[in-house]
Amino acid sequence: AQSVAQPEDQVNVAEGNPLTVKCTYSVSGNPYLFWYVQYPNRGLQFLLKYITGDNLVKGSYGFEAEFNKSQTSFHLKKPSALVSDSALYFCAVRAAMDSSYKLIFGSGTRLLVRP
Amino acid sequence: EADIYQTPRYLVIGTGKKITLECSQTMGHDKMYWYQQDPGMELHLIHYSYGVNSTEKGDLSSESTVSRIRTEHFPLTLESARPSHTSQYLCASSALEGSVMNTEAFFGQGTRLTVV
Repeated sequence: AQSVAQPEDQVNVAEGNPLTVKCTYSVSGNPYLFWYVQYPNRGLQFLLKYITGDNLVKGSYGFEAEFNKSQTSFHLKKPSALVSDSALYFCAVRAAMDSSYKLIFGSGTRLLVRP
Repeated sequence: EADIYQTPRYLVIGTGKKITLECSQTMGHDKMYWYQQDPGMELHLIHYSYGVNSTEKGDLSSESTVSRIRTEHFPLTLESARPSHTSQYLCASSALEGSVMNTEAFFGQGTRLTVV
């Protein structure tokens, strides 16, 4: 069965400091991995994805994520946090061979960037 | 502009009423999904569709039903709303994978349903 774990309910960081939001996954075969962001009373916005190729992927708003196959992780990072980055972040996974195409989401991590 | 739309954004309705949450996308996507989001944030897949006349139950059991008569339209219906149905409902779509690079899902703004 596919699953995603986001071990931190909340991450607090000062503006200008680097941030990391953690994600680990379990899937049969190769994974497709995604990060989404959700602002209050809004839907999810796609940030970035790993499908194949370079383990470091870059996405919207200066975010990047590193795929680590041995640790089954896909942590979201940003070198310098902004107050406007404060939001809910969701990691999602799908098995490349899963014909249902369903995305399995983690429980979400609330990022709070203080001025 | 290609997008995915949900209406209404907010709905407060009395117990026992029938409601339909609308979802439409203009991206020509074959796959569409409904997720239910808890107040505590977690997302649960309740329905999905591969294309016209295809509907499947998701991982979380739901009393709602869906239909897919047109590619662009994937409405969700509750025949008799109850307070336990109070939640946020998110619709999403994604392309069938002619290219695996187009595999991400795009989400609507959501409908926040309150049943009183």
